Amino acid sequence: ETGVTQTPRHLVMGMTNKKSLKCEQHLGHNAMYWYKQSAKKPLELMFVYNFKEQTENNSVPSRFSPECPNSSHLFLHLHTLQPEDSALYLCASSQPSSVGKNEQYFGPGTRLTVT
Amino acid sequence: GQNIDQPTEMTATEGAIVQINCTYQTSGFNGLFWYQQHAGEAPTFLSYNVLDGLEEKGRFSSFLSRSKGYSYLLLKELQMKDSASYLCAVRSADRGSTLGRLYFGRGTQLTVWP
Repeated sequence: ETGVTQTPRHLVMGMTNKKSLKCEQHLGHNAMYWYKQSAKKPLELMFVYNFKEQTENNSVPSRFSPECPNSSHLFLHLHTLQPEDSALYLCASSQPSSVGKNEQYFGPGTRLTVT
Repeated sequence: GQNIDQPTEMTATEGAIVQINCTYQTSGFNGLFWYQQHAGEAPTFLSYNVLDGLEEKGRFSSFLSRSKGYSYLLLKELQMKDSASYLCAVRSADRGSTLGRLYFGRGTQLTVWP
């Protein structure tokens, strides 16, 4: 397995459910990210982890709870979501530096529908 | 605040050349990226500019003017498989951040016709 993988690829959940999204990267990176992609909106950064420590929370509601047990794995725990949370959730990884290219590599995303 | 602006949609025919523009207003500019995203797939990295000028990579080139807050992605010899969304992203150097977060535009949906 190479690159950035995400599971599940599709998820339908009710507003009272609890579910988790999983991301795994095989690139040896130490920074990982969660993004939300909604139709006709820019990619929105949600959380950033650098060497397993959360370094950014972009004012995300508490019904989204990230977890980063190690530099290769990232989870997004979901509970009591709202229909407007339906979107594509993308995970990305990179080397943790703002100097040089250090481009982010994205996973294929989880298409989430909240009913 | 941060503002990244690019056209919503563009169309072109196979074999043609298309230029996708991106203008930005951000604090602490630290590089500009272009990504390609096919429907239902992950964004993939295309190009990176941090200094003014043109970067060429095969059929794709990207240009940057930092003084004008402007970039473009140039696609030559268009092929049907180039139909995708093209995302412009600017990395700022937020005070206190060691990573330099990316700010994305809404993406330009390019359709290539035969």
